[in-house]
Amino acid sequence: DAGVTQSPTHLIKTRGQHVTLRCSPISGHKSVSWYQQVLGQGPQFIFQYYEKEERGRGNFPDRFSARQFPNYSSELNVNALLLGDSALYLCASSPWTDTEAFFGQGTRLTVV
Amino acid sequence: EDKVVQSPLSLVVHEGDTVTLNCSYEVTNFRSLLWYKQEKKAPTFLFMLTSSGIEKKSGRLSSILDKKELFSILNITATQTGDSAVYLCAVDRGSQGNLIFGKGTKLSVKP
Repeated sequence: DAGVTQSPTHLIKTRGQHVTLRCSPISGHKSVSWYQQVLGQGPQFIFQYYEKEERGRGNFPDRFSARQFPNYSSELNVNALLLGDSALYLCASSPWTDTEAFFGQGTRLTVV
Repeated sequence: EDKVVQSPLSLVVHEGDTVTLNCSYEVTNFRSLLWYKQEKKAPTFLFMLTSSGIEKKSGRLSSILDKKELFSILNITATQTGDSAVYLCAVDRGSQGNLIFGKGTKLSVKP
């Protein structure tokens, strides 16, 4: 079985640009969550989607947005990139909202 | 404010040693506690704990939860160099639908 897949794996953007990160959950999983992990810290929750509806939002500015598609894949969008947005962005999927989450390999975003 | 605190933040041991990693938490709505191992990028799932006092085991790894004292420990016996990684503890806050993570414990196992 394929695990959680994320694309791209690495990305370099310039300040002020926009970025879209993509995530395909494990087959049969309906919940997708996004996390930001900066160096030396644990992942920090950004969004959770379940059955295409937003179930939770972390303490991130409105420049961050996400959506989930009918096939349960998801996109994370970040507008007006700042240097501080440089991080590893992790996507996690789970069958429901109350079971263990399985993470993808992440997208390493560097903003210059 | 909800928080998860892990200790120590880093640890260096030799192969064959036994290690204990600690995780304490203060959250308003606890549903479960999870342990993950992160080697390069993707955290890989180790354990999910929901009940106090019930030890979960997987090979040389084991973990237990104390919901009265609000902590969990992860034990690794007979450590190997392949155990070198960051170990993350996270708490599922239920209806808020997300995990809150600690900073992790970086374990280095020397040959």
